[in-house]
Amino acid sequence: QVQLVQSGPEVRQPGSSVNVSCKASRGTFNSYTITWVRQAPGQGLEWLGGILPVFGTTNYAQKFQDRVTITADESTRTAYMELRNLRSDDTAVYYCARDRAGLDYWGQGTLVIVSS
Amino acid sequence: QSVLTQPPSVSAAPGQKVTISCSGSGSNIGKNDVSWYHQLPGTPPKLLIYENHKGPSGIPDRISGSKSGTSATLGITGLQTGDEGDYYCGTWDSNLSAWVFGGGTTLTVL
Repeated sequence: QVQLVQSGPEVRQPGSSVNVSCKASRGTFNSYTITWVRQAPGQGLEWLGGILPVFGTTNYAQKFQDRVTITADESTRTAYMELRNLRSDDTAVYYCARDRAGLDYWGQGTLVIVSS
Repeated sequence: QSVLTQPPSVSAAPGQKVTISCSGSGSNIGKNDVSWYHQLPGTPPKLLIYENHKGPSGIPDRISGSKSGTSATLGITGLQTGDEGDYYCGTWDSNLSAWVFGGGTTLTVL
């Protein structure tokens, strides 16, 4: 059973950056894409991008292309999502999920609040 | 504005059946597999259906999925209060090279 454990909540000022981690505690890590999805308060799901750890190949949503970087460290079974130049509308819960056949395992979510 | 279109809400009585539709286009549902998710407040989404109609281990048979052309449908029979919450469809969009989701449907079991 795969378990994805994310880092804790963050509060950031506008214009700054945030780095959220996602550690796989069990199961296969590097053979499946790790996807990042966010959910603003009261809103739906929005895909940011993903990484296939075994190759390090990434895919980003065009909307976030110039502000997001997703990386993975196979030795620690951890994926990272950095979002830069934060704005107030980036306030959301950020999830990592494993993309195997559908998004089958999800992290618990990380609340990122962007406020001055 | 979501790429995939879902009804904002559906409702039915306990024990009844409900269906949730998900409409897309040829570049997403028409070309790729659809998955469905159930989300309760304050928790991450949970995979209910993958590859259009397959249920992961632990998902009861009263939950089903289907796809036809550029639309997909989630069906739930024998409704229980625990089925309440938000439901999302999702798939890959080959033109956008991105995962896309429906706007979500809130299910109320009356």
